[in-house]
Amino acid sequence: NAGVTQTPKFQVLKTGQSMTLQCAQDMNHNSMYWYRQDPGMGLRLIYYSASEGTTDKGEVPNGYNVSRLNKREFSLRLESAAPSQTSVYFCASSAGRNYNSPLHFGNGTRLTVT
Amino acid sequence: KQEVTQIPAALSVPEGENLVLNCSFTDSAIYNLQWFRQDPGKGLTSLLLIQSSQREQTSGRLNASLDKSSGRSTLYIAASQPGDSATYLCAVRPINAGNMLTFGGGTRLMVKP
Repeated sequence: NAGVTQTPKFQVLKTGQSMTLQCAQDMNHNSMYWYRQDPGMGLRLIYYSASEGTTDKGEVPNGYNVSRLNKREFSLRLESAAPSQTSVYFCASSAGRNYNSPLHFGNGTRLTVT
Repeated sequence: KQEVTQIPAALSVPEGENLVLNCSFTDSAIYNLQWFRQDPGKGLTSLLLIQSSQREQTSGRLNASLDKSSGRSTLYIAASQPGDSATYLCAVRPINAGNMLTFGGGTRLMVKP
């Protein structure tokens, strides 16, 4: 069972470079999320997609863009990376039929911006 | 603004002990509270989800309780094993922002053989 798959697992960027983090889920979930996890800051929501065709800002959206490509895939793009974006990025999904669906997480992408 | 606190930040116990992890939150207007486990270098694994109308949920050696009025949840782990060593996080789903879970900082648990 693949669940939520994120690529790449690791990435090093130079300041100003761009990249796209990929996320796919095979659980037929409606809702998908992007979080970042930083020491001392916990997990913070960047963007979410409540259903296919919709996206909304979370707590820390600045510097990021997202695309809900189809029901399975939700990508996160950094247009001009900054050292403050060094973090571990997690994609998550939930069935989304109601708010009592649990979240399922991928294994993360570890991004370093130099 | 909802705040979620987990104390202690770290805990070390000998194998076989029963233990309790704590989670507190400031706003009781929530849909549910979810407990997760995170192993080093990995993502979060959902352990238990307690809906606001429920008092507890059980899965194997894990039992989670919820007291919404006092803003508290506990995760009870029975007969702890070294394989239980991980970071445990709780998260609440607030009613006024259902897609924006608020996470606690986690409790890092080490179970010594």
